[in-house]
Formats: sequence, C-alpha cells, structure tokens
Amino acid sequence: QKEVEQDPGPLSVPEGAIVSLNCTYSNSAFQYFMWYRQYSRKGPELLMYTYSSGNKEDGRFTAQVDKSSKYISLFIRDSQPSDSATYLCAMDSSNDYKLSFGAGTTVTVRA
Amino acid sequence: GAGVSQSPRYKVTKRGQDVALRCDPISGHVSLYWYRQALGQGPEFLTYFNYEAQQDKSGLPNDRFSAERPEGSISTLTIQRTEQRDSAMYRCASSLSLGTSNSPLHFGNGTRLTVT
Repeated sequence: QKEVEQDPGPLSVPEGAIVSLNCTYSNSAFQYFMWYRQYSRKGPELLMYTYSSGNKEDGRFTAQVDKSSKYISLFIRDSQPSDSATYLCAMDSSNDYKLSFGAGTTVTVRA
Repeated sequence: GAGVSQSPRYKVTKRGQDVALRCDPISGHVSLYWYRQALGQGPEFLTYFNYEAQQDKSGLPNDRFSAERPEGSISTLTIQRTEQRDSAMYRCASSLSLGTSNSPLHFGNGTRLTVT
C-alpha cells in the first residue's frame, strides 16, 4: 500500500463547476500538506500549503485537512478552462521538503 | 525571473552508459532537491542539499546514483551503468530557505531520461 493515495482521474467538468480532489494517507507523522498543480510538460507548482488540520482558502481554492481521518481535500470553485491540469497532493513530516506525493488527478474543464 | 533550469531537456542513452544531469537552481536558493517522476505518478524524493552539504540521500535507489553540489549552487545527478528501469523524468527543485513553512519549492521542467 502506498503512503499517499489519491483519487484516480481523470475528471472532466463543465466550466463553472466545483472540482473536488482528495487524498488519503497512512503516515500519522505527516504535518505539512500541499497541493501542486502541474501543466503538461511542466514542473509542479505549489498551489496551497496547510499546516496540521483545518481549512485554508485562497481565491477560488480551498484546502481542507482532517488529520483524524488522514484525509485531505482541494476544492476549486467556479472552475475555468485554465484550471485544466494534473493536481498532486504532497505531504511532509519533518518540514524539510522530503515530500511524499500522490499519483495525481488530471482535471479537464470544458468551456 | 529565471526559474530552476535543468539540462539536457531530453537524454537518450544506451544501457550501461553513464549519464550526468544538471540542475541550476534559482539564484540564492539554499536548498536543492532531486526527485524522479515516472509517467502517471507523482514525484519521488531522491536526495537534497542545503548549501553544498548533502543532507539526505535516502531516496537514491542504489549506489549507481550519486549527486553533488560542490559550490552550493549548480548540482549534478549522476547515474552510472544505466539500466532501462532508470528511464523517467528527473526533476530538480529549489527553495529559498530551509523548511516547508518558510518558502515554496520551485520545480524545474525536468530531464526526460530514456535508457534503450
């Protein structure tokens, strides 16, 4: 079993829909939780960063962490075609960027 | 500004040959990381440096893999006696300071290695 499991895609949604992405993990030592966005042929770029449990909102993006359930989510509101990308969850236990990534979910937002 | 630069962009090599992959981090970034990303998977940690010191190499698959950052800037990942299973995208990343809570990790566009 992988340390980080990410809901398989791909997801295809119409423009304006809410996109919901999820990851579960098994390592209770994880304290730092991130979501990265990766466009085709590009490196991942940090989208959201959360420490410990709770919610964090940044514009159209909301990240949620539930450490008791070992479950994290990313919500994208009012999705746009430019949001079409692969989204990767990532986790860190020791604040040193030795990240454990999920496999990624590919999202397509249809105009 | 300039991001993390990796070269070559693509590398095709025959099994048994040695390869060297180069990473030029963002200027002034203290920490440098190497990750490997298989197709359809997330990046997998290999090793990282703070300045010129290799802090952790626990992710290197075996002793054919090595990395250096002699002057605390450019880094080279070397794979000796390449095997087909080494084929993957190799990504370098850097951050301004130590720790995830202080500065984001910036990834390069990677080197696609194909071993034939």
